[in-house]
Amino acid sequence: QKEVEQNSGPLSVPEGAIASLNCTYSDRGSQSFFWYRQYSGKSPELIMFIYSNGDKEDGRFTAQLNKASQYVSLLIRDSQPSDSATYLCAVSGYSSASKIIFGSGTRLSIRP
Amino acid sequence: DAGVTQSPTHLIKTRGQQVTLRCSPISGHKSVSWYQQVLGQGPQFIFQYYEKEERGRGNFPDRFSARQFPNYSSELNVNALLLGDSALYLCASSLVGGEAREKLFFGSGTQLSVL
Repeated sequence: QKEVEQNSGPLSVPEGAIASLNCTYSDRGSQSFFWYRQYSGKSPELIMFIYSNGDKEDGRFTAQLNKASQYVSLLIRDSQPSDSATYLCAVSGYSSASKIIFGSGTRLSIRP
Repeated sequence: DAGVTQSPTHLIKTRGQQVTLRCSPISGHKSVSWYQQVLGQGPQFIFQYYEKEERGRGNFPDRFSARQFPNYSSELNVNALLLGDSALYLCASSLVGGEAREKLFFGSGTQLSVL
């Protein structure tokens, strides 16, 4: 079982719609959860982080965390073509806080 | 302010050779992490260093080693290169202390090709 799992996509969403990206993790003791955006040929960029159960909103982005279900999600409202990228879910492992573990990413495509 | 800088940007080596990759963190960041990213996959954790000591190590063979210098820059060394070592090597820096240590800022990476 992979430590952090994501659907590889591609996920195609019409412009202006809500994009929903999901991630599950295996280490029940994980404490910190991150979403990175990676444009093709570029390096990952941190866009959201969440530590507590519930929702955290920042502009058009909302991160959701459910530790009981070991589930993290990212919602992107009013999707724009510039949101087309690969979204990486990352988790800080309880057993080693130094080790940030990434999923394989979900490729998101926003169609005009 | 300069971001994380990595050198070189591209490198071509042959099997069995050794390679050294370099990273300078953002000013004020004392933690450096190294990741390997194969095309189509997420970054895989190799090492984390702060205060010049190894603080974490991923599932990579002993051919991989790293160090951090007093100015917080870092080098990643890979010996006896294999074809499977071909990947994008990413360096990330972060502040030290609490949750800030986990917020990674990535450099643009070194693309290593092993022939």
